Amino acid sequence: NAGVTQTPKFQVLKTGQSMTLQCAQDMNHEYMSWYRQDPGMGLRLIHYSVGAGITDQGEVPNGYNVSRSTTEDFPLRLLSAAPSQTSVYFCASSYSAENTEAFFGQGTRLTVV
Amino acid sequence: AQSVTQLGSHVSVSEGALVLLRCNYSSSVPPYLFWYVQYPNQGLQLLLKYTTGATLVKGINGFEAEFKKSETSFHLTKPSAHMSDAAEYFCAVSALGESGGSYIPTFGRGTSLIVHP
Repeated sequence: NAGVTQTPKFQVLKTGQSMTLQCAQDMNHEYMSWYRQDPGMGLRLIHYSVGAGITDQGEVPNGYNVSRSTTEDFPLRLLSAAPSQTSVYFCASSYSAENTEAFFGQGTRLTVV
Repeated sequence: AQSVTQLGSHVSVSEGALVLLRCNYSSSVPPYLFWYVQYPNQGLQLLLKYTTGATLVKGINGFEAEFKKSETSFHLTKPSAHMSDAAEYFCAVSALGESGGSYIPTFGRGTSLIVHP
């Protein structure tokens, strides 16, 4: 049982490059979300989805896009990477509104130079 | 909007001593409350949660937390610290009607627990 799988685990980008962080879950969870973790800032919500075809913005959405074409996958796209996007990114999923325990991936450590 | 405040970015205790990590929340509707733990270079995992019912909730590894509505608090405790408890701890709140009508949780800034031998 894989749970929540994020790829890649590490990535270095040059300023202006674009890339997609992948997130997949095999638990048939409706809710999926992306957070970034920065020292002293905790986890801040970037985007989230409450089901396939439905996405919404979180606290820090600028510079990121998401889509949810299937229940399993929730990729995060960086459109034009900036040094301020250097961070550790976590994908999380939960079954439903009533059962809100979040399951997290192992994270993607992104450095933008 | 919902929010979480964790008092103290670092807490240092001796092995065998009481652990107390503080969390206060703000929510305009009845909240769900969580504590998560993060070990180095790993994702977060759930320690315990409060949804409804008994206000004292027990979690894994001997941790427990008490929901106090009047104080808007959800402090995490453990009677006796172990070296393996050294980690980052996050308090989180979620509620219907917040975050655009979903239960997506909002996290605190985290508290690093340091355990001395």
